[in-house]
Amino acid sequence: NAGVTQTPKFQVLKTGQSMTLQCAQDMNHNSMYWYRQDPGMGLRLIYYSASEGTTDKGEVPNGYNVSRLNKREFSLRLESAAPSQTSVYFCASSDSADRMNTEAFFGQGTRLTVV
Amino acid sequence: SQQGEEDPQALSIQEGENATMNCSYKTSINNLQWYRQNSGRGLVHLILIRSNEREKHSGRLRVTLDTSKKSSSLLITASRAADTASYFCATDGAGGFQKLVFGTGTRLLVSP
Repeated sequence: NAGVTQTPKFQVLKTGQSMTLQCAQDMNHNSMYWYRQDPGMGLRLIYYSASEGTTDKGEVPNGYNVSRLNKREFSLRLESAAPSQTSVYFCASSDSADRMNTEAFFGQGTRLTVV
Repeated sequence: SQQGEEDPQALSIQEGENATMNCSYKTSINNLQWYRQNSGRGLVHLILIRSNEREKHSGRLRVTLDTSKKSSSLLITASRAADTASYFCATDGAGGFQKLVFGTGTRLLVSP
């Protein structure tokens, strides 16, 4: 049971390049999330998908787009990378059907550097 | 802005000592959760306490929740070097679908 799998683990982009971060979960969870983690800032929510077919903005959505391809997969796209998007990106999933037990499971992260 | 704020930002103790970290949040919640993050890794769920609970235990972990003060504490008893990590609280707000919102974390260093 792999849990939440993110690819790639590391990426270096030049300013203006685009890329897509992939995330897949095998726990049949309804909800999926993309966070970024910067030093001293904790985790900030970029986008989330409450259920298949829906996506919503989180705290810091500017410069990103997402696609909930199916129940398993939730991708994050940077259309034109900027140095300010240098960060570690985490995908997570949870079974939001149980409102009182929303434990989240995290991938191992993607370390992105934009030069 | 983030929902939770942990205190202290950093904590350094000796093996065998207890470690206490605190979390304050801003809005009504369904539950509050604590996560651990080892350096360079993803977050791992430790414990969840529901809004109608005041205290919960799991092994060496003890969590309290005071909804009137919008605060929670995580106590790790008899700390070990392997407990060295960052610890985050996360809240799941009450009402409708609420995304899980994390605090800024406490960095714990346990020295042998």
